[in-house]
Amino acid sequence: QVQLQESGPGLVKPSETLSLTCTVSGGSINSYYWTWIRQPPGKGLEWIGDVFNSGTTNYNASLKSRLTISIDTSKKVFSLNLKSVTAADTAVYYCARGVVGITGTQFDYWGQGSLVTVSS
Amino acid sequence: DVQMTQSPSSLSASVGDRVTITCRASQTISSYLNWYQQKPGKAPKLLIYGASSLRSGVPSRFRGSRSGTDFTLTITSVDPEDFATYYCQQSYAAPPYTFGQGTRVEMK
Repeated sequence: QVQLQESGPGLVKPSETLSLTCTVSGGSINSYYWTWIRQPPGKGLEWIGDVFNSGTTNYNASLKSRLTISIDTSKKVFSLNLKSVTAADTAVYYCARGVVGITGTQFDYWGQGSLVTVSS
Repeated sequence: DVQMTQSPSSLSASVGDRVTITCRASQTISSYLNWYQQKPGKAPKLLIYGASSLRSGVPSRFRGSRSGTDFTLTITSVDPEDFATYYCQQSYAAPPYTFGQGTRVEMK
C-alpha cells in the first residue's frame, strides 16, 4: 500500500522560507509525478508543482519565482521550498502521487496534509 | 489556464437521494477530468478518472459522464458516508492542473 507522509514546521515567519518533505513508502518512486497541492483554510485546492523521478520539475506560474521542488530517489523523499512567504501562503500542504494514463494525470495517493501557518 | 466551474457550490440531500454535480471547463479538455471526494480534516480521495472510469474500490453508486465541456458526477443513491465536498480536476491543458471550487454535499 502506497503511503505518503509530509513533515516540516507548522509555523513560519513572514519573509522566511517554508520547507516541507514528503516521504514515500510502499511503492516505487519511479515513473510518477510527485506533486505538491495546497488548500488555504476553508478554500479550494491549488496545484503548486511537481517533480518526476528524473528531477524534471513543473511549477505553477503564480509561485514559480519563489518555488523549488526537488527529489532524492535513493531516500524516496521529495521536498518543497517556498521562499519569501506571506500570510497568503498559510494553507494545508498536501503531497500526492500523480499517475499518467491514457486519459491524463490523476492524483491517486495523498499524504494526510500538513498545516503551515505564516505568522510572526 | 483552464478554468473549471462547478455547480452548485453546495446542496442538501437525504440518504437515498440521487445527487448530480456539474463541472464545466472553459475550453475543451477531452475526457481528461477527474473527481475527488474530501471529508473535513482529510486529504482528497480519487473517485473517478478519465471522466467516467471508476477507481478500484469506489462504490458503483458514483458515476461520471461527459457532454462536450460539461462533466457530471452522479451519486445514484446517497449513503451517509457520502456527505463531503467534491472537486473536479482537469489534466488536459496541464500544467497547471486546475480544480473546480468544490461542491459541498450536506445532509438535509
